[in-house]
Amino acid sequence: DGGITQSPKYLFRKEGQNVTLSCEQNLNHDAMYWYRQDPGQGLRLIYYSQIVNDFQKGDIAEGYSVSREKKESFPLTVTSAQKNPTAFYLCASSRLSGPTNYGYTFGSGTRLTVV
Amino acid sequence: LAKTTQPISMDSYEGQEVNITCSHNNIATNDYITWYQQFPSQGPRFIIQGYKTKVTNEVASLFIPADRKSSTLSLPRVSLSDTAVYYCLVGERYGGATNKLIFGTGTLLAVQP
Repeated sequence: DGGITQSPKYLFRKEGQNVTLSCEQNLNHDAMYWYRQDPGQGLRLIYYSQIVNDFQKGDIAEGYSVSREKKESFPLTVTSAQKNPTAFYLCASSRLSGPTNYGYTFGSGTRLTVV
Repeated sequence: LAKTTQPISMDSYEGQEVNITCSHNNIATNDYITWYQQFPSQGPRFIIQGYKTKVTNEVASLFIPADRKSSTLSLPRVSLSDTAVYYCLVGERYGGATNKLIFGTGTLLAVQP
């Protein structure tokens, strides 16, 4: 089955720690994205990548970092500089060309809590 | 980037047809309209996508007038399991990062027995 896998599903972080959220896709999608969702809010874009070894900041990139060393993987690191990291994090991927299109495919999310 | 406006919430009863309208006055020529459904603590799920006129699949219909400045998602005979947040987005067909999709707050549809 093709899809996006996010891990872990739940993550607890102590103040001052960096944590890394995993996102892997086997859809052969070109682009990958990280969104943050706060309770009762829509999704806000953190970072996105169209191609390996290249990525761009989204609307709320401060305190986050990413890498795209492989097409299938787009991990997100929440650094200690992110002052309010408690949120639901969603990874997505999409094609950038081709005969079919179904918009974004999302993972099941990681809920990060600062303790 | 095109901005969308949709109702914050809607109520319905089981078995009814639900229509959720989205306004997107600044839609660009190459933009598609896509609707997603999100349940609590899950990622959004693609429902339907269209460019103009009407699109229908096994779960919903999408109506787009000629000027494309709005669209209406139609859910036939909703059930309790259709209670979710529904997002309307406009952007490049593949969600390409050059015209990345922007999610608003969506419409919370509450289906009552």
